[in-house]
Amino acid sequence: SQQGEEDPQALSIQEGENATMNCSYKTSINNLQWYRQNSGRGLVHLILIRSNEREKHSGRLRVTLDTSKKSSSLLITASRAADTASYFCATDGTNAGKSTFGDGTTLTVKP
Amino acid sequence: EPEVTQTPSHQVTQMGQEVILRCVPISNHLYFYWYRQILGQKVEFLVSFYNNEISEKSEIFDDQFSVERPDGSNFTLKIRSTKLEDSAMYFCASSELKVVTGYTFGSGTRLTVV
Repeated sequence: SQQGEEDPQALSIQEGENATMNCSYKTSINNLQWYRQNSGRGLVHLILIRSNEREKHSGRLRVTLDTSKKSSSLLITASRAADTASYFCATDGTNAGKSTFGDGTTLTVKP
Repeated sequence: EPEVTQTPSHQVTQMGQEVILRCVPISNHLYFYWYRQILGQKVEFLVSFYNNEISEKSEIFDDQFSVERPDGSNFTLKIRSTKLEDSAMYFCASSELKVVTGYTFGSGTRLTVV
């Protein structure tokens, strides 16, 4: 598998439920970022977690990082229809500023 | 909240023509980047730029591509002779520091080569 792979590829949930997306990577990282992209639109930076951090919160978002397993998860709590989008993880290796993106998870939140 | 601004939002060009994609990064940011996303594919790094020179570039960023910061505010990506496979969404991003706390992406320019 390639650097920055998300699973599942697609996730469909009801409004109010929690959504969990996972990201795995292959090589050592400096940091890992999560982005949201609405269909055909730009990338919105959600959260960045450094390699020496294990968990980070921002509003309804919770990101964890396990460097021993080379994996990260993004949890969106109490999802809303407006959370419907594609979510990408991206990793910076030793060359910060050269982010490697995953394929993304497409989240659909049904009202 | 400060934004990275990209223009135009959509550009259609004939194969073989030159295009210039424009970006205005956040004013106090020092590092600038271009990424592209071919429809249905991953976002791919093209180039990073700092202190008026390229810091790093990917194998995609060949001789047909160039970047420039012609004045204190604009950051441009030029594609010299466009090919059909250059059709993609091009994103500009900027960051304040090399050890980043986060990147800010623009909303992208959709380039269609016909």
